[in-house]
Amino acid sequence: DQQVKQNSPSLSVQEGRISILNCDYTNSMFDYFLWYKKYPAEGPTFLISISSIKDKNEDGRFTVFLNKSAKHLSLHIVPSQPGDSAVYFCAAYSGAGSYQLTFGKGTKLSVIP
Amino acid sequence: NAGVTQTPKFRVLKTGQSMTLLCAQDMNHEYMYWYRQDPGMGLRLIHYSVGEGTTAKGEVPDGYNVSRLKKQNFLLGLESAAPSQTSVYFCASQRALETGELFFGEGSRLTVL
Repeated sequence: DQQVKQNSPSLSVQEGRISILNCDYTNSMFDYFLWYKKYPAEGPTFLISISSIKDKNEDGRFTVFLNKSAKHLSLHIVPSQPGDSAVYFCAAYSGAGSYQLTFGKGTKLSVIP
Repeated sequence: NAGVTQTPKFRVLKTGQSMTLLCAQDMNHEYMYWYRQDPGMGLRLIHYSVGEGTTAKGEVPDGYNVSRLKKQNFLLGLESAAPSQTSVYFCASQRALETGELFFGEGSRLTVL
């Protein structure tokens, strides 16, 4: 049973436009969400996070939106740049002594110059 | 500023052979993790450690053993490698559970023939 779902395996966007990556979750105990970015042959790197007490968190070109009632979060990248081309993983964490981040399968973003 | 270092980066084994992957972190983090990444599967937790001398099973622990004799090192062992263990392995460390942010190594690609 996949608790964190990224239903789009890939996404292509023109440089300068907005990239929207989506993530759905099923476990209502999740209270902290993170996005990781991964380039080929490298480890994932932390990008941005959001607590369940918020509905938006912004960091430069990256904004994460959380809709708890829909159990949905999205990552917006504006404007998209070719260097943003990578695989993006959504991850969720239930805190309170939980040691396990649950990851989605990832979405490969390609930003076309 | 090394962060999380994994050795070796690449390894080819024959079925039944044993090997150990070493993870070292220089950030004085308490928590350390071993994940595997397979195509279309995202990242899955194998084992984790909440401090020196402790280990625990994650989502997919079968066929692996771990040890955390020193705070900075987390070893992942395969006693009798199987082709199903062909994967990319990522080690990660974490400063505090509250943030959920993991710092990953660059990965170790293991092929079992």
